[in-house]
Amino acid sequence: NAGVMQNPRHLVRRRGQEARLRCSPMKGHSHVYWYRQLPEEGLKFMVYLQKENIIDESGMPKERFSAEFPKEGPSILRIQQVVRGDSAAYFCASSVDRPANTGELFFGEGSRLTVL
Amino acid sequence: GQQVMQIPQYQHVQEGEDFTTYCNSSTTLSNIQWYKQRPGGHPVFLIQLVKSGEVKKQKRLTFQFGEAKKNSSLHITATQTTDVGTYFCAAPNFGNEKLTFGTGTRLTIIP
Repeated sequence: NAGVMQNPRHLVRRRGQEARLRCSPMKGHSHVYWYRQLPEEGLKFMVYLQKENIIDESGMPKERFSAEFPKEGPSILRIQQVVRGDSAAYFCASSVDRPANTGELFFGEGSRLTVL
Repeated sequence: GQQVMQIPQYQHVQEGEDFTTYCNSSTTLSNIQWYKQRPGGHPVFLIQLVKSGEVKKQKRLTFQFGEAKKNSSLHITATQTTDVGTYFCAAPNFGNEKLTFGTGTRLTIIP
């Protein structure tokens, strides 16, 4: 039973390029979350999605960032025109239920983005 | 929005000493979860507390949820080098469901 799969594990981009991070949730999980973690810092919520729907995107920057979770395929976090400040570890997590209903999160190993 | 504060931010202890991290919220929580992140790793779920005043134990780890459901603590007895990492509490926001993580407590062990 595979866990949450994220790829790529490491990604290097130059300023102005696009970064696409992919996340396949655990089998049977329909809730997906993206968190950003800067070095030596905590986990900052970005977006919460259920299949084909964005439930909460209050943590997403208004520009350049977008997320989707299509009916088929993985969830995608897309960062356009990356800047150095986007360098961070991006963690995806999935759950079988909502957090308020005792839905523990299973995290992937993260995608570490470096912007040169 | 809801904020979940954790103290201390860092804790260095001698191997064999005890360790405690505290989590405080300005609002009443429906439940609280605890996660551990090893250096260079990803967060791993430890436990969830739901009931007011609840206490749960996992070997040397003791988790408590306050009576008012606004605070929680994680206590580790007789720390070992395998306990190294950052411990996060996390709680769902009422209304919008997202799970907000505390600032974390980074534990280092001096052998």
